Amino acid sequence: GDSVTQMEGPVTLSEEACLTINCTYTATGYPSLFWYVQYPGEGLQLLLKATKADDKGSNKGFEATYRKETTSFHLEKGSVQVSDSAVYFCALSDLVQGADGLTFGKGTHLIIQP
Amino acid sequence: NAGVTQTPKFRVLKTGQSMTLLCAQDMNHEYMYWYRQDPGMGLRLIHYSVGEGTTAKGEVPDGYNVSRLKKQNFLLGLESAAPSQTSVYFCASSYSSGDYNEQFFGPGTRLTVL
Repeated sequence: GDSVTQMEGPVTLSEEACLTINCTYTATGYPSLFWYVQYPGEGLQLLLKATKADDKGSNKGFEATYRKETTSFHLEKGSVQVSDSAVYFCALSDLVQGADGLTFGKGTHLIIQP
Repeated sequence: NAGVTQTPKFRVLKTGQSMTLLCAQDMNHEYMYWYRQDPGMGLRLIHYSVGEGTTAKGEVPDGYNVSRLKKQNFLLGLESAAPSQTSVYFCASSYSSGDYNEQFFGPGTRLTVL
């Protein structure tokens, strides 16, 4: 079945550091890929998405590019802020599997220190 | 718009007790989902619905039942709670499936089964 693998946390960085959170996937069909963010005590919010190979999703200074050849969708940001501290989930949607839900990675806890 | 709301926010049950979690959305979405979130496991799909009166099993459906009698509501029931069902439960909804499958999440229900 489908699966998403992302780097385990916590990841601790200083403010203004560069961020990369790795995400790789396996899927039966041609999935759409997503990054969701969960702030403490809240539900998940969509951060960005990409629906086909070579698409780049971007939002709030974060970017991720859909790389079909490496089955990856790494999340990047050039300069992180304390307010970026949260848990980040990589996810895919693959209708070939027959279910309409998202398949999530285990989440990466990001901690930004001032 | 309230978006996706969940009640209750917290609940403690004893083993064998039953309860129903309520999810409501005011975005006229066709699709609704129930996930559980456990430490180190990410989110896993319990059940989902592609429209009023329809439900389907997800990845971890055992021990749960669902109903979608009204388009805006999606109920998750535990008939006989077990400690393994201690988790945070998230409801989500989306306009459609397919490539643009952005899901909107509720704030979660934290359930403890003693």
